[in-house]
Amino acid sequence: QVQLQESGPGLVKPSQSLSLTCTVSGGSISSGSYSWSWIRQPAGKGLEWIGRFYTSGSTNYNPSLKSRVTISVDTSKNQFSLRLSSVTAADTAVYYCARISYGSFDYWGQGTLVTVSS
Amino acid sequence: QSALTQPASVSGSPGQSITISCTGTSSDVGSYNLVSWYQQHPGKAPKLMIYEVNKRPSGVSDRFSGSKSGNTASLTISGLQAEDEADYYCCSYVGSITWVFGGGTKLTVL
Repeated sequence: QVQLQESGPGLVKPSQSLSLTCTVSGGSISSGSYSWSWIRQPAGKGLEWIGRFYTSGSTNYNPSLKSRVTISVDTSKNQFSLRLSSVTAADTAVYYCARISYGSFDYWGQGTLVTVSS
Repeated sequence: QSALTQPASVSGSPGQSITISCTGTSSDVGSYNLVSWYQQHPGKAPKLMIYEVNKRPSGVSDRFSGSKSGNTASLTISGLQAEDEADYYCCSYVGSITWVFGGGTKLTVL
């Protein structure tokens, strides 16, 4: 059973960068069968796809966030990470990591709340 | 890349059937059979209920079914149960290896 777990600071100051890590267990992120993604959800609002990476090293991002987002991977730790720069209060949300299979998000982490505030 | 359009809320009584629509464009829902649906209970992570328009992951009740016609996808829940009360989100692949979600629909079981 694949499990994903997000971790990282719960509070980030405006204009700084948000950094989160997703640790995957029960499966290898190096498997060519899947890709891996970040998704966020502001309180009381809908889901927003942030980006994804594939084991080949390729990454793809939401056009609305592309200039501020970087997704990277550490295969030795079976982790992938999200960095979002120049954050504002609008970036306050629960951030989820998820696995992509057959074009859908089949396994999700529990989510981690990140608040942007001074 | 605009969010897919879902009704804000739907409701039904136990045992009834309800359908949630998800309207996109010819560039997303209309172009790809990669529509998925997610159930989210309060404070929980979303759960995949339907993928590739009408396929159910192992363990998901056959009371949940999906379909698509043109630029609109639909999720039908038959034999409504109290535990079906949740938020539901559709999602579509939109090309160039990107995805877009719907705004979400709150299902109330009366």
